[in-house]
Amino acid sequence: AQRVTQPEKLLSVFKGAPVELKCNYSYSGSPELFWYVQYSRQRLQLLLRHISRESIKGFTADLNKGETSFHLKKPFAQEEDSAMYYCALSGSDYKLSFGAGTTVTVRA
Amino acid sequence: DVKVTQSSRYLVKRTGEKVFLECVQDMDHENMFWYRQDPGLGLRLIYFSYDVKMKEKGDIPEGYSVSREKKERFSLILESASTNQTSMYLCASSHTDYGYTFGSGTRLTVV
Repeated sequence: AQRVTQPEKLLSVFKGAPVELKCNYSYSGSPELFWYVQYSRQRLQLLLRHISRESIKGFTADLNKGETSFHLKKPFAQEEDSAMYYCALSGSDYKLSFGAGTTVTVRA
Repeated sequence: DVKVTQSSRYLVKRTGEKVFLECVQDMDHENMFWYRQDPGLGLRLIYFSYDVKMKEKGDIPEGYSVSREKKERFSLILESASTNQTSMYLCASSHTDYGYTFGSGTRLTVV
């Protein structure tokens, strides 16, 4: 069985401060890990995926297989980063399993 | 630019009604999915389909069924709506490279 855990429901940071969203997973094989974001009144969209190893909107995420984690980080949060963030995992069957989500609020 | 279209943004239905939620994608994707999104629970997979006339149960299929008669269309059916099916329903499609494209969602209220 595959499972994704996001321990923080809410995260509030000040503009310019670093932000880190935690994600832990359980999966017996080699998973694909993703971060999805949903801005207010917009559809859910892909933020980044570990296999591409790219930085999107200043966010990065490193897959740590030893700790089974895929934390999302940004060194300097911006107000436009306020959104709901979901960590997701896909196994060999293309199904995505999502965490419960973390709501990020960036305050001026 | 819209690639996954859900026919209704808001729906209000009565308990016991049969409800159809429609989803159409124009990207020629093989895979289509229905999720429900609830606060504190994230997205939970209801049903998915890898091909026309093919369907597989997800994690919470009870009370739901699906239909995929054409590649571009994937319908979610609530056979007899109940109040605990009040939720946001999200449709998604993907090619085999795992990238999902989501629709804008249908917020269903069952009264």
